[in-house]
Amino acid sequence: AQTVTQSQPEMSVQEAETVTLSCTYDTSESDYYLFWYKQPPSRQMILVIRQEAYKQQNATENRFSVNFQKAAKSFSLKISDSQLGDAAMYFCAYRSDGNQFYFGTGTSLTVIP
Amino acid sequence: DGGITQSPKYLFRKEGQNVTLSCEQNLNHDAMYWYRQDPGQGLRLIYYSQIVNDFQKGDIAEGYSVSREKKESFPLTVTSAQKNPTAFYLCASSIFLAGAETQYFGPGTRLLVL
Repeated sequence: AQTVTQSQPEMSVQEAETVTLSCTYDTSESDYYLFWYKQPPSRQMILVIRQEAYKQQNATENRFSVNFQKAAKSFSLKISDSQLGDAAMYFCAYRSDGNQFYFGTGTSLTVIP
Repeated sequence: DGGITQSPKYLFRKEGQNVTLSCEQNLNHDAMYWYRQDPGQGLRLIYYSQIVNDFQKGDIAEGYSVSREKKESFPLTVTSAQKNPTAFYLCASSIFLAGAETQYFGPGTRLLVL
């Protein structure tokens, strides 16, 4: 089975600064999808960004971007110009060929005013 | 509005009781999933279903059961065999469509044992 590892249980960032959350995964598949989800205190899971493994170009969504290193099996999330509303748990997820999703244990992000 | 609904928001279970969590989606998604979330452990897959009348066990299926009689509905029953059911339960759905393989989540149900 695929595994997803988030090695940073907690991170903090000053408002307006940039922060990077790390994620690594283990797989033998060549075609897959990767995601970052945000879970604010309301506990609603919100899709932040996704990346198709066959695409070399890193995905971007406004202030959110990823650094996808396929050979290293690394998928980090960069949040630029951090805002107070970015404070949440962030989960990295992997979608396998069989349409199963695997999640990391999450990183709790605190934004300091 | 299209989306995924879960009910109830809070559910209390007595010892030895079976309880059922509801999950409905009107997104016309093929696949549906149930996850359990405990503090510090992320999401763990309980069951998933890729088509009507078919479902597969996830990593922690013991003590749970599901049905998929309609495309829109995927209820989860927490049976008395589940000895530690207190958790937050999330339902999700996804569609088999190239370029759209993303999982969408409901608002969740918190289950507490009395």
